[in-house]
Amino acid sequence: SQELEQSPQSLIVQEGKNLTINCTSSKTLYGLYWYKQKYGEGLIFLMMLQKGGEEKSHEKITAKLDEKKQQSSLHITASQPSHAGIYLCGAASFQGAQKLVFGQGTRLTINP
Amino acid sequence: DTGVSQNPRHKITKRGQNVTFRCDPISEHNRLYWYRQTLGQGPEFLTYFQNEAQLEKSRLLSDRFSAERPKGSFSTLEIQRTEQGDSAMYLCASSFKVFGGSGANVLTFGAGSRLTVL
Repeated sequence: SQELEQSPQSLIVQEGKNLTINCTSSKTLYGLYWYKQKYGEGLIFLMMLQKGGEEKSHEKITAKLDEKKQQSSLHITASQPSHAGIYLCGAASFQGAQKLVFGQGTRLTINP
Repeated sequence: DTGVSQNPRHKITKRGQNVTFRCDPISEHNRLYWYRQTLGQGPEFLTYFQNEAQLEKSRLLSDRFSAERPKGSFSTLEIQRTEQGDSAMYLCASSFKVFGGSGANVLTFGAGSRLTVL
């Protein structure tokens, strides 16, 4: 079965700093989804990547999928307190898979 | 549309009791998923429905767990004879996707139902 490894597991950054979260798989990713979760709440969809080399941005968050489709990164520019939370990557475990499997999450803390 | 609704949000029960969670998905979504999440971990897949048909169940879903989606709308997840290891957040998600299609499958999650088994 596919496993998604996220790094780092936790991250503390000063407000205004840039940061990157990684999501790595041993197998080809067929659809990579980034979600954000506030503590004790549900997941909020951020972005989805499907093609190798694809990059998407929304406000100050940029997500990329590498050419081999085995690693994705989430980059936040000029971090703000509102960016704090748990970031989760999810992926279809094989082409045509009907469910998503998730990484263990990265807990992001923003210090003012 | 108010999104995916889950009830109750919190449930505290004693070991051995039965509990039931309800999920109301986005009305036009034909798929409904149940996940379980424990502290510090990502969500783990439990089961999913395409309309009223339960198409896949995880090995995590022991025989004490049962899920239904009788009319292809809301779903219930029942846990019988709860154990302390069942304590977790139970997340419901819905999406619209044609079965077997290779397109995107963006899941919309509810706020979750947190279960504490004493």
